[in-house]
Amino acid sequence: DVKVTQSSRYLVKRTGEKVFLECVQDMDHENMFWYRQDPGLGLRLIYFSYDVKMKEKGDIPEGYSVSREKKERFSLILESASTNQTSMYLCASLEVRAAPYTFGSGTRLTVV
Amino acid sequence: QKEVEQDPGPLSVPEGAIVSLNCTYSNSAFQYFMWYRQYSRKGPELLMYTYSSGNKEDGRFTAQVDKSSKYISLFIRDSQPSDSATYLCAMCNDYKLSFGAGTTVTVRA
Repeated sequence: DVKVTQSSRYLVKRTGEKVFLECVQDMDHENMFWYRQDPGLGLRLIYFSYDVKMKEKGDIPEGYSVSREKKERFSLILESASTNQTSMYLCASLEVRAAPYTFGSGTRLTVV
Repeated sequence: QKEVEQDPGPLSVPEGAIVSLNCTYSNSAFQYFMWYRQYSRKGPELLMYTYSSGNKEDGRFTAQVDKSSKYISLFIRDSQPSDSATYLCAMCNDYKLSFGAGTTVTVRA
């Protein structure tokens, strides 16, 4: 089974800090995704990557950037954390078009 | 209007009841349909995956797709307390999934 590992389950950061969320998958998938999940809003796509060093904006990229230097690792960066970025962040990977995603366990980020 | 609308719930049912979850969608290009289950403070896990109209059964779970009506459903028979979770519908025609907002289900022992 594919495993998607998010390095932190819970994080508390201060407003203005630069925050790195790490995600690693172990099955050589080309496609990786970052979502945030908020009550009543569901999952919203922040960024995705379909290859090393390739990235595309999702629906809500403002305030975020990403890095994909190696195929197995996809990092989400909050350049200057704000309280409205308090959320559950989910990483996912995808093997081929139209297949189901495999999700990580999520990182619950609180910005104070 | 959102691409995917999911009955918001929450739903609370007694153990053994049938749970019915529904989503509608507006994008006729969607060809692949999924249901994910998400336990509290965990990531979503795939429950059902289908790409055609009709029913697909897996144990106590049945996924139903009606492309002509742009409507999908998930039925849980003989529900158990361990089925208490948030259920997300998802669909796509390419790489990006579109999700419903989720329905939280509680099965009372």
